[in-house]
Amino acid sequence: EDQVTQSPEALRLQEGESSSLNCSYTVSGLRGLFWYRQDPGKGPEFLFTLYSAGEEKEKERLKATLTKKESFLHITAPKPEDSATYLCAVQALGNAGNMLTFGGGTRLMVKP
Amino acid sequence: DSGVTQTPKHLITATGQRVTLRCSPRSGDLSVYWYQQSLDQGLQFLIQYYNGEERAKGNILERFSAQQFPDLHSELNLSSLELGDSALYFCASTSVRGEAFFGQGTRLTVV
Repeated sequence: EDQVTQSPEALRLQEGESSSLNCSYTVSGLRGLFWYRQDPGKGPEFLFTLYSAGEEKEKERLKATLTKKESFLHITAPKPEDSATYLCAVQALGNAGNMLTFGGGTRLMVKP
Repeated sequence: DSGVTQTPKHLITATGQRVTLRCSPRSGDLSVYWYQQSLDQGLQFLIQYYNGEERAKGNILERFSAQQFPDLHSELNLSSLELGDSALYFCASTSVRGEAFFGQGTRLTVV
């Protein structure tokens, strides 16, 4: 069974204080690992897809990296508007429906 | 805006009742996925349709059913509602690369 575990559950940062969010996964074969941002009461917003170990993707203050067992979302010099819940999800090979298995998320709070 | 449209945004109903949630996927996307998000369970996959046919099932209760119509919009039917069915219900459609784009969700409250 595919499993995704995210840590920490919650993270408080001061504006400008860089940090990383962790996503550990167990999957029979990885088709893709996805990062989403979710604001309260809203739908998840797509950020990145990573397909193979060693791959990195960047977008503004966010950088996602992937190894064979985990992914990190690095946040550089965060701003208050980066406050949100960040979700990690995996898509398994051989999965007829290509559905996503999500982790529990990391709730990020950035204080000015 | 993801391009995925869900209605209604909010729904309040009594236990034992039946409701229908509606989703229109992004233009050109053939797949529709339904997910449930509750405080204690996180985002859970319910069911997927592809071009009108059921493709995959997840943790969907027998009281729940879905269908996808020829115009590709989908409906999720929830019946004999219980308090524990209160949750956010999301619909998503996927690009050819497998990236899922989510709608804004329907917040269901069962009282």
